[in-house]
Amino acid sequence: SQTIHQWPATLVQPVGSPLSLECTVEGTSNPNLYWYRQAAGRGLQLLFYSVGIGQISSEVPQNLSASRPQDRQFILSSKKLLLSDSGFYLCAWKSGSNTEAFFGQGTRLTVV
Amino acid sequence: AQSVSQHNHHVILSEAASLELGCNYSYGGTVNLFWYVQYPGQHLQLLLKYFSGDPLVKGIKGFEAEFIKSKFSFNLRKPSVQWSDTAEYFCAVLNSGYSTLTFGKGTMLLVSP
Repeated sequence: SQTIHQWPATLVQPVGSPLSLECTVEGTSNPNLYWYRQAAGRGLQLLFYSVGIGQISSEVPQNLSASRPQDRQFILSSKKLLLSDSGFYLCAWKSGSNTEAFFGQGTRLTVV
Repeated sequence: AQSVSQHNHHVILSEAASLELGCNYSYGGTVNLFWYVQYPGQHLQLLLKYFSGDPLVKGIKGFEAEFIKSKFSFNLRKPSVQWSDTAEYFCAVLNSGYSTLTFGKGTMLLVSP
């Protein structure tokens, strides 16, 4: 069966520090991968998605970037965190066909 | 781009009350629709989905949703809620090309015992 792993679960980082959040999927190949940010009262905002290795689409301009170095690995990064980067980040995957997305447990990022 | 509107941000009900959460989407073509639920401390999980066929979709835990194309709606219903239904509920639409999901802002449901 397919599983999605996202880590760390919580993270506290100082302003200006770098960020690296990892997401891996097991049990499937060539998944579509996604990074969402969830904020209270604002739902889930799609940040990045990838349909293949090295292919990244950005939905909103911001201080973050994403990379997909391997088929089932998706990384969310920042060179210098801002206070406004605090939030709950969710990784998700879906198959290429019209199916639902499956979500990881999320990472609570607090920038101090 | 498609958009999804959820009418209520917070809903408070007593146990055994009936539930209906509103969801409207903007896309006029063929749509694939979802309701996701996030229980406290848990990850987001699928409640039910509509792709085609019978517009009345039944999901897990007694939930159902009805796709009404003329109203661009996909409202979630449950005849009798339980305390364990306390959670945040998100409506979502699959965008054309089937690559991304657009979510509503969510509805926080609190069921009091």
